[in-house]
Amino acid sequence: DGGITQSPKYLFRKEGQNVTLSCEQNLNHDAMYWYRQDPGQGLRLIYYSQIVNDFQKGDIAEGYSVSREKKESFPLTVTSAQKNPTAFYLCASSIGRQNTEAFFGQGTRLTVV
Amino acid sequence: GENVEQHPSTLSVQEGDSAVIKCTYSDSASNYFPWYKQELGKRPQLIIDIRSNVGEKKDQRIAVTLNKTAKHFSLHITETQPEDSAVYFCAASMRGGADGLTFGKGTHLIIQP
Repeated sequence: DGGITQSPKYLFRKEGQNVTLSCEQNLNHDAMYWYRQDPGQGLRLIYYSQIVNDFQKGDIAEGYSVSREKKESFPLTVTSAQKNPTAFYLCASSIGRQNTEAFFGQGTRLTVV
Repeated sequence: GENVEQHPSTLSVQEGDSAVIKCTYSDSASNYFPWYKQELGKRPQLIIDIRSNVGEKKDQRIAVTLNKTAKHFSLHITETQPEDSAVYFCAASMRGGADGLTFGKGTHLIIQP
């Protein structure tokens, strides 16, 4: 189903702890993206990567970090520096060339208490 | 950076009637405009997209129009059906989406039986 998998679906963490969200794709896509979705808001770009070992900050990168060591994987770490980490996080991938569809994962709902 | 405004936030129509959702963008360099549908608890899925060298595109009951001069684009759904009920997001991007998408805040479309 879609070839892009996020895990876990629900995640709970205590305030002050770092947490890593997983995103794996088997679509052989070059580009991968992380978005954050809050109630009543659109999706906002956190980080993106167009090639292995390279990534760029999006519009709201503060308090987040990523790595792209493998083409299939693009994990997102939510650090303790992120002031409002509770949100729905969506990972996406695309071929990477211009004008191509982005395929989304099922999302991870992170709750920090 | 790019800014996308989307209206209305909620739209209720009778089954069988047409629905129109409108978006404006700020950066004249944007060249790719996709529309995503997100059903409750599910991932966003692309329903139609348009590039800046095209003024209109149709796919069965769905059409998108683009006015580059006015920097606005619209989604038209005809003969609405109950399964059209969802949240719809417009987005804009330079480089065809390769650097990620800037989304509007979404329109909750409700189809009344």
